[in-house]
Amino acid sequence: NAGVTQTPKFQVLKTGQSMTLQCAQDMNHNSMYWYRQDPGMGLRLIYYSASEGTTDKGEVPNGYNVSRLNKREFSLRLESAAPSQTSVYFCASNPGQRGNIQYFGAGTRLSVL
Amino acid sequence: DAKTTQPTSMDCAEGRAANLPCNHSTISGNEYVYWYRQIHSQGPQYIIHGLKNNETNEMASLIITEDRKSSTLILPHATLRDTAVYYCIVAPNFGNEKLTFGTGTRLTIIP
Repeated sequence: NAGVTQTPKFQVLKTGQSMTLQCAQDMNHNSMYWYRQDPGMGLRLIYYSASEGTTDKGEVPNGYNVSRLNKREFSLRLESAAPSQTSVYFCASNPGQRGNIQYFGAGTRLSVL
Repeated sequence: DAKTTQPTSMDCAEGRAANLPCNHSTISGNEYVYWYRQIHSQGPQYIIHGLKNNETNEMASLIITEDRKSSTLILPHATLRDTAVYYCIVAPNFGNEKLTFGTGTRLTIIP
């Protein structure tokens, strides 16, 4: 049982480049989330998807787009990367039946030069 | 606006109980207290949650005061692998609700 899988684990981009961070969960969870974590900071919510076919903005959505492709997959896209988007990105999922318990992936470490 | 207040850092000797406090004086009636931890460079990990009664699982115990304005996470026999940042979060107990992570308490277990 893989849980929440994020790809890639590391990425270096140049300013203005675009890329998509992939997230997949194999636990049949309804809700999925994208967070970013800057050095010395807590996690901040970028976007979330309460169920397949729905997405909502979190605390810091500017510069990002998301797609809930199906129940398993929730991707995060940076259309034109900026140095301020250098961060560690975490994806999480929540079954919705045992309270607000989220299961996190290992993270994607992104550097924008 | 911060919904929880935690000490920035704490130390605990290996083998002793680690007691991590959290203040949440503005907690609402439908909000639970959740604890997560983040070991260096890893994704956060759920530990325990509760509404008003004390809770215990294989990882930790959670003590919530009667007025629900504060709580304490207890790791009964801390090991070096418990060194992590611990986050106290208040949130409704619905599956699609958001979690707001603060900066947490950095717990260091001393050999």
